[in-house]
Amino acid sequence: SQQGEEDPQALSIQEGENATMNCSYKTSINNLQWYRQNSGRGLVHLILIRSNEREKHSGRLRVTLDTSKKSSSLLITASRAADTASYFCATVFNTDKLIFGTGTRLQVFP
Amino acid sequence: GAGVSQSPSNKVTEKGKDVELRCDPISGHTALYWYRQRLGQGLEFLIYFQGNSAPDKSGLPSDRFSAERTGESVSTLTIQRTQQEDSAVYLCASSLGRFQETQYFGPGTRLLVL
Repeated sequence: SQQGEEDPQALSIQEGENATMNCSYKTSINNLQWYRQNSGRGLVHLILIRSNEREKHSGRLRVTLDTSKKSSSLLITASRAADTASYFCATVFNTDKLIFGTGTRLQVFP
Repeated sequence: GAGVSQSPSNKVTEKGKDVELRCDPISGHTALYWYRQRLGQGLEFLIYFQGNSAPDKSGLPSDRFSAERTGESVSTLTIQRTQQEDSAVYLCASSLGRFQETQYFGPGTRLLVL
């Protein structure tokens, strides 16, 4: 079963705009990860945030984690057409299994 | 260095046939995972290998699905008597181990059962 749910399911924006995706999960976690998937094939790891962290940055990416609300957000600033992809959150709790959410499909128009 | 590789890239088979999918993890990665992704859906966990421990098979959807791993190297996922609902992309990932949670994914095998 899937642990996380992303919101929105789909998002369309213009280049240069910011994109915000949210992820909600159900149980306690050790960490939460965000992945990107192009064209329905392999996933690329973007960022990992641990349960004792509240915010993390990597380039144009900013991830926040609110464990009291069991939610995380991924912000992509100054989006580019190349950011067009599906974005998934995934959680880890006590095992090495990653439980993936349902994904947000981001479309960035040039 | 080389990433995770999977073969074949695409596989078309007839209903009822058996298929074998192969995954070559990154050298030195003790953990290996198989996932299934149906069209437009998220990833479903299938099975997890960690070193010499017994694999976690809790995600396998039926007894038609099985997987093996030779030591800390190649893994094969076998689907027997394929059904049309088995059509999906099968993704393999590997990681350094229990305390290295980042997973590195292969490009996947797209399986179509006619």
